[in-house]
Amino acid sequence: AQSVTQLDSQVPVFEEAPVELRCNYSSSVSVYLFWYVQYPNQGLQLLLKYLSGSTLVESINGFEAEFNKSQTSFHLRKPSVHISDTAEYFCAVTEANFNKFYFGSGTKLNVKP
Amino acid sequence: EPEVTQTPSHQVTQMGQEVILRCVPISNHLYFYWYRQILGQKVEFLVSFYNNEISEKSEIFDDQFSVERPDGSNFTLKIRSTKLEDSAMYFCASSEPLSPLHFGNGTRLTVT
Repeated sequence: AQSVTQLDSQVPVFEEAPVELRCNYSSSVSVYLFWYVQYPNQGLQLLLKYLSGSTLVESINGFEAEFNKSQTSFHLRKPSVHISDTAEYFCAVTEANFNKFYFGSGTKLNVKP
Repeated sequence: EPEVTQTPSHQVTQMGQEVILRCVPISNHLYFYWYRQILGQKVEFLVSFYNNEISEKSEIFDDQFSVERPDGSNFTLKIRSTKLEDSAMYFCASSEPLSPLHFGNGTRLTVT
């Protein structure tokens, strides 16, 4: 079974600073990778996904993540965060049949003015 | 944009009672899921459902749990005899084939 590790449970950062949220997964088989964001009292919303092709994927609001197969990582980055990026971010992995998605324990990003 | 909708948003029940959590997946989606998130813990897979049968279930999804698609639009999770440790946020999700999950806003279940 897959496991997903998000080492940082909380990341405080000042507005306009860069941020990286780390995600590592366990399996070496073909995987598909996702980042989801959860705002307070809401469900999880897809932020970005890696299915195939370019290992660098981007979201519409400036986040990007890079699939690194050798390091089994899919870290999320943003060069300049906004207050509105304050939320909890979950990394998720699934295998070829998409029957089951495995989630990390989440990283709470707290952007301070 | 189409949404997954879940009702109720909050359910309080006494230990031993049955609860039914309801979900309306996105209309053209064929794959349905239930996940749960105990406060402060990770999002855990419960069950996936396709073509009117369970595709996969976790060890959490024991005989106390069942899922049903009673009509063309609803997807329900039933817990027959709730325990205190069933208190969690329950998320329904749906997807197209080989595609990311779309989640509802969740039902917060509190068992007292």
